[in-house]
Amino acid sequence: AQKVTQAQTEISVVEKEDVTLDCVYETRDTTYYLFWYKQPPSGELVFLIRRNSFDEQNEISGRYSWNFQKSTSSFNFTITASQVVDSAVYFCALSWGNSNSGYALNFGKGTSLLVTP
Amino acid sequence: DSGVTQTPKHLITATGQRVTLRCSPRSGDLSVYWYQQSLDQGLQFLIQYYNGEERAKGNILERFSAQQFPDLHSELNLSSLELGDSALYFCASSVLAGGYTDTQYFGPGTRLTVL
Repeated sequence: AQKVTQAQTEISVVEKEDVTLDCVYETRDTTYYLFWYKQPPSGELVFLIRRNSFDEQNEISGRYSWNFQKSTSSFNFTITASQVVDSAVYFCALSWGNSNSGYALNFGKGTSLLVTP
Repeated sequence: DSGVTQTPKHLITATGQRVTLRCSPRSGDLSVYWYQQSLDQGLQFLIQYYNGEERAKGNILERFSAQQFPDLHSELNLSSLELGDSALYFCASSVLAGGYTDTQYFGPGTRLTVL
């Protein structure tokens, strides 16, 4: 079964602190993709990153970095020097399906991040 | 701005009614996906269309139906509405048929309130 667990429901940090959002997934597929999306208070879902199951290299984009570890089925997201504008709900997602039935995303419950000045 | 548009932004209706939500994908995208976001269930996949044909199906109720038109816009029809159908409905689009490599870009959502 495809499953994504984001155990942290809410996190509160003070501006400039580093924060890590955890994501643990379950899948029987050997090929799969993991995603992170951000949902700011305005409500839209913003794509952040996509990572395939064969690439375990860490990725860094500005203040954002992602750590993918197949051995622990985790795809964690770190924000360095957090800012108030980072306040949002962050979702981890796992692709599922096949070429016959099509594909979709299975989302975790999300982690609500509050960054205070 | 993802390039995916959804109308209306808000919809308020009564139980038992029927509504239609509309989605226009990003230019060049052939696949459209519908998701429901509620406090109880979180973000759940409903259905996918690719170039006019249904592809993947998720936890979509029989009271709900969707279609994708020749111009690639999609409509999600919700009928016999119940209070529990109140949610934020997202449309997403991707370039291809929705393979593992596809990134789905989401629209701003339609907030449905059933009274």
